[in-house]
Amino acid sequence: AQTVTQSQPEMSVQEAETVTLSCTYDTSESNYYLFWYKQPPSRQMILVIRQEAYKQQNATENRFSVNFQKAAKSFSLKISDSQLGDTAMYFCAFPANFGNEKLTFGTGTRLTIIP
Amino acid sequence: GAVVSQHPSRVICKSGTSVKIECRSLDFQATTMFWYRQFPKQSLMLMATSNEGSKATYEQGVEKDKFLINHASLTLSTLTVTSAHPEDSSFYICSARTPLTYEQYFGPGTRLTVT
Repeated sequence: AQTVTQSQPEMSVQEAETVTLSCTYDTSESNYYLFWYKQPPSRQMILVIRQEAYKQQNATENRFSVNFQKAAKSFSLKISDSQLGDTAMYFCAFPANFGNEKLTFGTGTRLTIIP
Repeated sequence: GAVVSQHPSRVICKSGTSVKIECRSLDFQATTMFWYRQFPKQSLMLMATSNEGSKATYEQGVEKDKFLINHASLTLSTLTVTSAHPEDSSFYICSARTPLTYEQYFGPGTRLTVT
């Protein structure tokens, strides 16, 4: 069974600093996608970034980047120049493989940006 | 693009009544939609996978006769909570998968309160 582990239930960081959220997973598949989703206080789930496992290059979206270590099954999210609007729950998620449509979510990390 | 709407955003109903929640993909056709339930400060729990024109696939432990799912078109899926009880009170979120990729786009959620 696929599992996703987020070992940091809560984190806080000063505005403008950099923060890294960790995620590890377990799968027997070789090809898959990985996602980070953000859920702000409004509770709207927002896709932050995605990584394709067959790509060695780490994905980047503006201030958000990932450190994908396939052999270690690690998929961390780095937020640079953090902003107050980054305050949210962050969930790591992935489908089992390309053919599996269901997402497995981690337990989440509550990130608070301190002004 | 990839906008998903959900209606209503909040609903209060009396115990024993039924309530319907609609999920619509506004700018893309979604062959697959998903229904989640989220308890306070917890991750998303997948309830069922809804495929257009076919019966929904329910996760283990989810009562299919209580949570009726219909996916009548490529842009609309509905969740009906039948004979609601106070323990059904929760935050329900739908998502839709885009046809060509594996990420899911989420509706804003529905807060159901059963009195």
